Amino acid sequence: GNSVTQMEGPVTLSEEAFLTINCTYTATGYPSLFWYVQYPGEGLQLLLKATKADDKGSNKGFEATYRKETTSFHLEKGSVQVSDSAVYFCALSPTGGYSTLTFGKGTMLLVSP
Amino acid sequence: DTAVSQTPKYLVTQMGNDKSIKCEQNLGHDTMYWYKQDSKKFLKIMFSYNNKELIINETVPNRFSPKSPDKAHLNLHINSLELGDSAVYFCASSPRGGSQETQYFGPGTRLLVL
Repeated sequence: GNSVTQMEGPVTLSEEAFLTINCTYTATGYPSLFWYVQYPGEGLQLLLKATKADDKGSNKGFEATYRKETTSFHLEKGSVQVSDSAVYFCALSPTGGYSTLTFGKGTMLLVSP
Repeated sequence: DTAVSQTPKYLVTQMGNDKSIKCEQNLGHDTMYWYKQDSKKFLKIMFSYNNKELIINETVPNRFSPKSPDKAHLNLHINSLELGDSAVYFCASSPRGGSQETQYFGPGTRLLVL
């Protein structure tokens, strides 16, 4: 079946540090890949996505590249801010048919001033 | 003008009770979803409806019954609540339910069963 594995948290960084959150997936074909972010007490919102191999999704300084050869979609940001503190979820949706998002377990990011 | 709204935001109830959670979206989307987030933040899809038709029904106890009176609303009724039902329930919607589409989430309903 489909699955998503992402690094355990929490990830604790100082402001302006470089961020990487690893995400790998298992799926047949070419799924669509997503990063969603959940700020404290809120619902999830899309951060970025990529729908085919070698696509790069980007938003708010975050980037992730769809790597088919390594089945990965790692999230990066060059300089984090305190306001980036949140839980980040990697997710996939299989090709074709109706969307069924499979999520990773989430990675909490804590950024201190 | 909230895109996906849920009521109530918090729900505290006793074991054995029956409760409902309501969801409404004003995005004009055809597809709506219910997800359960457990205490470890793990998210799992429960149901999905497209134009009021059930299209995804994951392995969920049949104490949980979704209802979609129209494509802008998807409600979740839970019978005979159990301690293990305590979780955050999120509603979401997407334009047509396609695999590449972004899903838009509501703020969640925090259910605590005592």
